[in-house]
Amino acid sequence: NAGVTQTPKFRILKIGQSMTLQCTQDMNHNYMYWYRQDPGMGLKLIYYSVGAGITDKGEVPNGYNVSRSTTEDFPLRLELAAPSQTSVYFCASSYIGTGANVLTFGAGSRLTVL
Amino acid sequence: AQKITQTQPGMFVQEKEAVTLDCTYDTSDPSYGLFWYKQPSSGEMIFLIYQGSYDQQNATEGRYSLNFQKARKSANLVISASQLGDSAMYFCAMREGSSGNTGKLIFGQGTTLQVKP
Repeated sequence: NAGVTQTPKFRILKIGQSMTLQCTQDMNHNYMYWYRQDPGMGLKLIYYSVGAGITDKGEVPNGYNVSRSTTEDFPLRLELAAPSQTSVYFCASSYIGTGANVLTFGAGSRLTVL
Repeated sequence: AQKITQTQPGMFVQEKEAVTLDCTYDTSDPSYGLFWYKQPSSGEMIFLIYQGSYDQQNATEGRYSLNFQKARKSANLVISASQLGDSAMYFCAMREGSSGNTGKLIFGQGTTLQVKP
């Protein structure tokens, strides 16, 4: 049981380049999330999805796009990378029902834009 | 608007002693959940403990307990018998329940805990 898997773990981009951060979960969770964490700060929500084909914006969506074609996968697309997107990106998933609905996080992807 | 505040950027504790990490929150939603996550230097986010707004008892998980004071809107994490491996960043987070329960979390800025031998 791998949990939430993110790739790549590290990436350096030049300004204006594009890339996709991959996220997959094998826990059959219905909800998935992308957060970013800037140095010394808490996590901020970029986008989330409540199921295949359904996505919605979080607190800081500008410069990003997502899609959710399957329950397992939730890729995050960065178009026209900017230095302000230098951050650590976390994908998370959860089964939303009754109870705590704890988010399980991936190991993170560290992105540097130069 | 909902908000989480952690006022202690850094804390030190002696090994084997107890430590309290502060967290206050602001919400007008009567239904919410409060979480604590640990982030060691390796970077992963590890779930520690959860408290629901309607839970009558304070949550406990091993050496972790949550001191939930609803009237004061505080949800402090207490770590008993600190270990060197407890050195990490700790985040308090809140989920509001009435907005369709999307599971979205709002995070505080974190507290760095260092355990001294």
